[in-house]
Amino acid sequence: GAVVSQHPSRVICKSGTSVKIECRSLDFQATTMFWYRQFPKQSLMLMATSNEGSKATYEQGVEKDKFLINHASLTLSTLTVTSAHPEDSSFYICSAVRTSGGNEQFFGPGTRLTVL
Amino acid sequence: KQEVTQIPAALSVPEGENLVLNCSFTDSAIYNLQWFRQDPGKGLTSLLLIQSSQREQTSGRLNASLDKSSGRSTLYIAASQPGDSATYLCAAPSGGGYNKLIFGAGTRLAVHP
Repeated sequence: GAVVSQHPSRVICKSGTSVKIECRSLDFQATTMFWYRQFPKQSLMLMATSNEGSKATYEQGVEKDKFLINHASLTLSTLTVTSAHPEDSSFYICSAVRTSGGNEQFFGPGTRLTVL
Repeated sequence: KQEVTQIPAALSVPEGENLVLNCSFTDSAIYNLQWFRQDPGKGLTSLLLIQSSQREQTSGRLNASLDKSSGRSTLYIAASQPGDSATYLCAAPSGGGYNKLIFGAGTRLAVHP
């Protein structure tokens, strides 16, 4: 149990377009999900905390209007990179915490975004 | 503010060696600490989760210890194999925020035959 999926796994887009990334908890409900970003040869940096039914909480330096997060159900959170630019190219990883309890985060396989 | 540091940054060893990877954290008010493995271009694989009430956890050839008072955790890999080659990440919760994880920069391990 505790499987998290992400879709797509890889996306290439033109500069100026918007890209939506989905994060799903497949076999559990998750009130809280997290979005991380990882640049090449660097570690994961938390971007935002996604809470079902409420607005996401963004970390300092992360533009909420550029990285739109929607957590409309207990199994799905989406991250939309709006007007993407080459500097947004990165590896985006989500994680989810069980609503039923426990403090372990379960991570998705990541989405590789390349903006041309 | 939680800060996580991992030493060494990189390690190259011959197959069969026993290894110790180190992780230190500045805020000891944590409820758990996690170790992950990441292969190049891939997501995270959770290796071990140590709750604050525990001092260590074991899974196969892996053993992770936690010393909250000193702000340290170690990951011990016994009898290393080429398949263990990956980046190992340590993550600790940040203070106050629900489950917000702060990651170390990782230790890049290469085990050669």
